[in-house]
Amino acid sequence: GAGVSQSPSNKVTEKGKDVELRCDPISGHTALYWYRQRLGQGLEFLIYFQGNSAPDKSGLPSDRFSAERTGESVSTLTIQRTQQEDSAVYLCASSLTWGGMGNEQFFGPGTRLTVL
Amino acid sequence: KQEVTQIPAALSVPEGENLVLNCSFTDSAIYNLQWFRQDPGKGLTSLLLIQSSQREQTSGRLNASLDKSSGRSTLYIAASQPGDSATYLCAVRVPDSNYQLIWGAGTKLIIKP
Repeated sequence: GAGVSQSPSNKVTEKGKDVELRCDPISGHTALYWYRQRLGQGLEFLIYFQGNSAPDKSGLPSDRFSAERTGESVSTLTIQRTQQEDSAVYLCASSLTWGGMGNEQFFGPGTRLTVL
Repeated sequence: KQEVTQIPAALSVPEGENLVLNCSFTDSAIYNLQWFRQDPGKGLTSLLLIQSSQREQTSGRLNASLDKSSGRSTLYIAASQPGDSATYLCAVRVPDSNYQLIWGAGTKLIIKP
């Protein structure tokens, strides 16, 4: 596919369970970003990957959140021991490279996570 | 700390009207500003990107302006159509991070047939 894809599109889980969200970036894009969007709010930056560099994890809200990326391909965002406040849409984006004044981020459709 | 605000939070207008969506930011030191459209279940689509050195960008019926000194951007939609119904988000890229975007909460737009 030509765009960023994410799976699953929807996830309902019980409080305390672990969940794993997947993102497939656009082929050739070296930068990958995860964001969280709570209902009625703007996007919150979570984590950023650039090639083989160490990821920027400064946006992760707690140590229950972690993410991995293999090279310049698929990324997974894992939330352990989910809490109700984790309910949100999790969006993934990729860009051709990092930085630069004109670099655009292209977004996937998101995963809607509901924690009961 | 950069903050981005979008007012109103929601807007409903009849089809065919021209309309303006507003975005304001607190720190004029930005690299660029982007307008996105968000449709339920379809993620975000980039509409227009304005560099800090530019005053406006146009794409079809959309025109985005940028006034850095006043910390404001507007998205003008001409001859609105029901298909324009969506949430419109603006985001700024800030100099202290080459990749982070700071986002507004969005304006939910409904175009009534």
